[in-house]
Amino acid sequence: QTVVTQEPSSSVSPGGTVTLTCGLSSGSVSSRYYPSWYQQTPGQAPRTLIYSTNSRSSGVPDRFSGSIIGNKAALTITGAQADDESHYYCVLYMGSDVVFGGGTKLTVL
Amino acid sequence: QLQLQESGPRLVKPSETLSLTCTVSGASIIDYTHYWVWIRQPPGEGLEWIGSIYYSGGTYYSPSLKSRVTLSVDTTKRRFSMKLSSVTATDTAVYFCATQYSGTWALDHWGQGTRVSVSS
Repeated sequence: QTVVTQEPSSSVSPGGTVTLTCGLSSGSVSSRYYPSWYQQTPGQAPRTLIYSTNSRSSGVPDRFSGSIIGNKAALTITGAQADDESHYYCVLYMGSDVVFGGGTKLTVL
Repeated sequence: QLQLQESGPRLVKPSETLSLTCTVSGASIIDYTHYWVWIRQPPGEGLEWIGSIYYSGGTYYSPSLKSRVTLSVDTTKRRFSMKLSSVTATDTAVYFCATQYSGTWALDHWGQGTRVSVSS
């Protein structure tokens, strides 16, 4: 079974830049998997940030960007703010299946 | 603006069937561009895709849940539903309904989620 891998945790200083990644247990992530990224704060539904690798969802600040780096999808936050402290999930569309990564808990400190 | 609202029992006994409904407002459920999706999140854990259904009834299920899940859609009542059979405590979770846009495969709208506990 396909496993989508994410760093369990990461940290960034306010104003800094951080890149979260999304890989596959076997193989490389490419745009054909339509990688998307979601932000979730405790007790809330996820919020769509990025879809189709690098398209920002409506209303998402441009400090959030998506890309492919090497064999992984990546979410980069430039100029991190305190309220970016959240869990971030990547999702890959694999044929008819939707596969979530385990999520990354981002700390802003 | 499309909105989704989950509804159903908050407590289900082990071995019984968990049934949830998601009501769609602000858009038609007969939508050629979207799939209707169920996702869950156990306490303190990550998100898990359960399955997706198209307005015409075509379904796709998570391999790990396929044997216990049934999705359906009621276009007359603008809602879609999920049944999960033979539940155990490990099925305790917040259950979300969502939409997936077939142009980008993004999960572009989410319900607020409903917490379901499995306990006797």
